[in-house]
Amino acid sequence: GAVVSQHPSWVICKSGTSVKIECRSLDFQATTMFWYRQFPKQSLMLMATSNEGSKATYEQGVEKDKFLINHASLTLSTLTVTSAHPEDSSFYICSARARTGLANYGYTFGSGTRLTVV
Amino acid sequence: QKEVEQDPGPLSVPEGAIVSLNCTYSNSAFQYFMWYRQYSRKGPELLMYTYSSGNKEDGRFTAQVDKSSKYISLFIRDSQPSDSATYLCAMTSNYQLIWGAGTKLIIKP
Repeated sequence: GAVVSQHPSWVICKSGTSVKIECRSLDFQATTMFWYRQFPKQSLMLMATSNEGSKATYEQGVEKDKFLINHASLTLSTLTVTSAHPEDSSFYICSARARTGLANYGYTFGSGTRLTVV
Repeated sequence: QKEVEQDPGPLSVPEGAIVSLNCTYSNSAFQYFMWYRQYSRKGPELLMYTYSSGNKEDGRFTAQVDKSSKYISLFIRDSQPSDSATYLCAMTSNYQLIWGAGTKLIIKP
């Protein structure tokens, strides 16, 4: 089945530094990638949607200059948290939808990245 | 009012019991309905998806959709401790997923 590889699975960084999270679709072409964050005991919150080769569309309240999304190829999307601060500590998850638009709307998720900013 | 309502639980049941998880929604435009399972510190995993009203069965799992009542359910038969996880419902229109809050399920051995 479709697999999305996300790494790192966890990262600790100092306040003010930047962190890059990668998501790769291993056996399919991901025309659309979604980035979510999830706070403890809460549901997923969509941050942005990116289509390959296009600029990402950010949800209201998400700072696009802080959360840089690149979707340069059909198999790779990255999220860079710039100048991270402790309040950015969260669980970040990517999700991919295949080119053929899976009839079952089977969005495939990465395993998530736990970011801790100290 | 949220578009999708889901009781966060936790729901604790003994091993072997039948589990019923539910979501209600307000947007009649939703077309596809999905259930995801999420283990702690992992990404969601698609369990079931349905399109039309009615039941869909897959092993121990049954997904039910009632579009007239705007109500969906996931039933788990012969529940196992390994089923302990957070279950999220999700539904879609315009290719964007709208999520429930997730129900934390605990299966006691």
